[in-house]
Amino acid sequence: SQQGEEDPQALSIQEGENATMNCSYKTSINNLQWYRQNSGRGLVHLILIRSNEREKHSGRLRVTLDTSKKSSSLLITASRAADTASYFCATDGVAGGTSYGKLTFGQGTILTVHP
Amino acid sequence: EADIYQTPRYLVIGTGKKITLECSQTMGHDKMYWYQQDPGMELHLIHYSYGVNSTEKGDLSSESTVSRIRTEHFPLTLESARPSHTSQYLCASSDQGSNGYTFGSGTRLTVV
Repeated sequence: SQQGEEDPQALSIQEGENATMNCSYKTSINNLQWYRQNSGRGLVHLILIRSNEREKHSGRLRVTLDTSKKSSSLLITASRAADTASYFCATDGVAGGTSYGKLTFGQGTILTVHP
Repeated sequence: EADIYQTPRYLVIGTGKKITLECSQTMGHDKMYWYQQDPGMELHLIHYSYGVNSTEKGDLSSESTVSRIRTEHFPLTLESARPSHTSQYLCASSDQGSNGYTFGSGTRLTVV
């Protein structure tokens, strides 16, 4: 598999706390993306970070990327019960400088935020 | 409103039946994808298309087939459904920009 691991597999926190999820991958990438999936539904795109970027923010989301370690993290600050969902990282891999043009997904982290 | 639509939402069908899962998008995206996802598991790419009359097999071998006759339409067909095909099938499209993929709500298929 092109994709590595996400950890933790499950995370349970209280409202107001921060949630951090990590993603590792195996190949060179063009970009890395994070998605959210509510139970039994389709995925919603959250944020995209390119291989030449190290950090990106969007509202309460902060994503970091370390291409030397082939890893990324997603931080959700001041979590809410409505943030309860599965979170997936996905990589747009490259070979010989050319994007594969398709995303490979990790196994996901199940986040539960208790009111 | 630009969006991506999958029908049916749920399908329970007997072994040996032929089924077609529909996927349509109104965003004019050239790239479309089918992913298979078992409950609580990762997504596996089974088919993708870069435009009309272009289809490719994905990373996970699948007995399903796809067609892309129109930009907006990317149906997936199983000629003879089996219980091993029971899964959720997710359709997505992209514009190659910074907006990532747009996913449909999925079709949950159960073959009995």
